Order: sequence, then structure tokens, then C-alpha cells
Amino acid sequence: GIQVEQSPPDLILQEGANSTLRCNFSDSVNNLQWFHQNPWGQLINLFYIPSGTKQNGRLSATTVATERYSLLYISSSQTTDSGVYFCAVHPTGTASKLTFGTGTRLQVTL
Amino acid sequence: DGGITQSPKYLFRKEGQNVTLSCEQNLNHDAMYWYRQDPGQGLRLIYYSQIVNDFQKGDIAEGYSVSREKKESFPLTVTSAQKNPTAFYLCASSMTEWGHQPQHFGDGTRLSIL
Repeated sequence: GIQVEQSPPDLILQEGANSTLRCNFSDSVNNLQWFHQNPWGQLINLFYIPSGTKQNGRLSATTVATERYSLLYISSSQTTDSGVYFCAVHPTGTASKLTFGTGTRLQVTL
Repeated sequence: DGGITQSPKYLFRKEGQNVTLSCEQNLNHDAMYWYRQDPGQGLRLIYYSQIVNDFQKGDIAEGYSVSREKKESFPLTVTSAQKNPTAFYLCASSMTEWGHQPQHFGDGTRLSIL
């Protein structure tokens, strides 16, 4: 099956810093989503981005489908950004099977 | 407000007992999904359903069962055959299957063994 690798696995930032999270995947995809899981376990949709670039406030994401990777940018980080960021992909030509990476755990400190 | 409601938030299971987790959505989505998350891990697909009265096994279906009698509802039963049920369970839905619409998630149910 498709492999999804996220890096880095852990990240500690001081409030106000910027960061880039990466997601590599091993096969072509119909769908790529970025999620933020907060400390209470809630999984929040950040982006649905099978290709191209999108921005939402301090967050933006870029997927280069032909090179099989996606990047999530967090600018001016805040303590509320802490949690785990997951990339999930749906391989082309398969029934619904979102495959998740193992996540990047982000801690933003004061 | 439209959304996905999972209940209960916390559930405890005794040895040999079946328990059922509820998932209801009012988004008029066709497809619904159940995922399992173990500590420090990503989500893994248990079952999914594209339409009423139809569902398919995911990657880790053993020890679980589902039903889809109504479009809005997709309950998951954790049977006594599931030997390691302690996990966080998340339900999701999407407009269509085949991955062309984003999946949206409920707030989850934490299941523990007594």
C-alpha cells in the first residue's frame, strides 16, 4: 500500500517563529488533507489540497503531486498551534482509504 | 449546526462484552468511515460505507462490526473478539466516496477496558 512519511516527527518552537512540515507519499493520490489534532483529540480539517497552494490565515499548504510531497507552513506560531499535525492521502484508483502519516508533534512555547 | 456527533465521549468495556459506539451526521454526506487511533500513532481505517445498507472492510476490521440502516447513522460495535480494544475511535463522513471530497471528523470516543 501507499506509504506516507511526515517530518520532522517532533518540533518545538518559540511563539512567533515560523515552521515548515513535510509530507512525502509513495504513489499518486486523489486527495491530500492536512489535519491538526488538538490536545483534546479533536481532528480539525486544515486543508484539502490534492495539488497547488492554499492559504488560510497564518497557515498555508502546497502540494506538488508530480513529485509526491506536500508542505504545511505555519507562520507566527501561537501556543494554540500546539498539537499533532497529520497528513492523510487517498491513493488514486482505490476505494475510500485515507492513509494517515504518523504525524508531526508541535509544541509552541512562550 | 451541521456536523458529526459521536457518543459517548468515554466508554468502558468489561471482558467479554460487546459495546456500540454511535456516529450521527447531519451533513447529508453519502459516505461514512470509522478509524482507530492508538497512542502516538496515526489513524487506521476500520470500516467504511458508501451508501445505505452497504459497507466495506478497511485495514483492521477484525473484531468490529457496523451497520448502515440510515444515511445519517453509522454505528460501530466493538465485539468481544477484539482483544485489544483500548483506543480512540473517530468517525468521519464525506460528500462522495472515491476521495474527491474531503473527510470531516467527529470528536471521537475513548474506549478503555475495565
